[in-house]
Amino acid sequence: EVQLVESGGGLVEPGTSLTLSCAASGFSLKDFKAAWMAWVRQAPGKGLEWVGRIKSKSDGATTDYSTPVKGKFSIWRDDSKTRHYLQINNLRTDDTAIYFCVTEQWGWRGWGQGILVSV
Amino acid sequence: QAVVTQEPSLTVSPGGTVTLTCGSSTGPVTSGHYPYWFQQKPGQAPTTLIFDTNNRHSWTPARFSGSLFGGNFALHLSGAQPEDEADYYCMLSYSEIRVFGGGTKLTVL
Repeated sequence: EVQLVESGGGLVEPGTSLTLSCAASGFSLKDFKAAWMAWVRQAPGKGLEWVGRIKSKSDGATTDYSTPVKGKFSIWRDDSKTRHYLQINNLRTDDTAIYFCVTEQWGWRGWGQGILVSV
Repeated sequence: QAVVTQEPSLTVSPGGTVTLTCGSSTGPVTSGHYPYWFQQKPGQAPTTLIFDTNNRHSWTPARFSGSLFGGNFALHLSGAQPEDEADYYCMLSYSEIRVFGGGTKLTVL
């Protein structure tokens, strides 16, 4: 069973940067390497917002971001650790949200439990 | 960026049938948008109910189904159960970008 666990959240000051990590288990290394991995956030009392995704290395490990976060968010991956990461720069109060990592592979099969970032 | 629209709220009686819809600001929703439905209960992470228009996961109850209908993407629930009370989000793909709808709060009452 796919399991994703986020870490690195917490209370941060405006204007600072933060890196979230997502650890994957229940994948074979081969399957993780093939998986496109994404981040979705949810502000308090609001809906879901897709913020970005990194493709597999075989697909170029390219990244795509939603328009509101482009240039501010950065995603990368370390397949040897079956992890991917989200860096958020110049944090603002409207970045306060629960951040979920998710695999876009296999019909968006796996979601993390989410981690709170409070600015 | 495209806007994806959903009904803000709907109510269904236990055992009843309801359809949630998902529209796109760019025109009719097609299978090329690779439509998804997600369910989220309070305090929990979302779960994926329907992918690529009408495919269920192993954990998705058979009473849920997805379809393209009248230019929209629809989630049909037949025989609503109390545990189906939740927020439902659709998501569409525009080339490489995913966009969620604003969500529908479904009440079973």
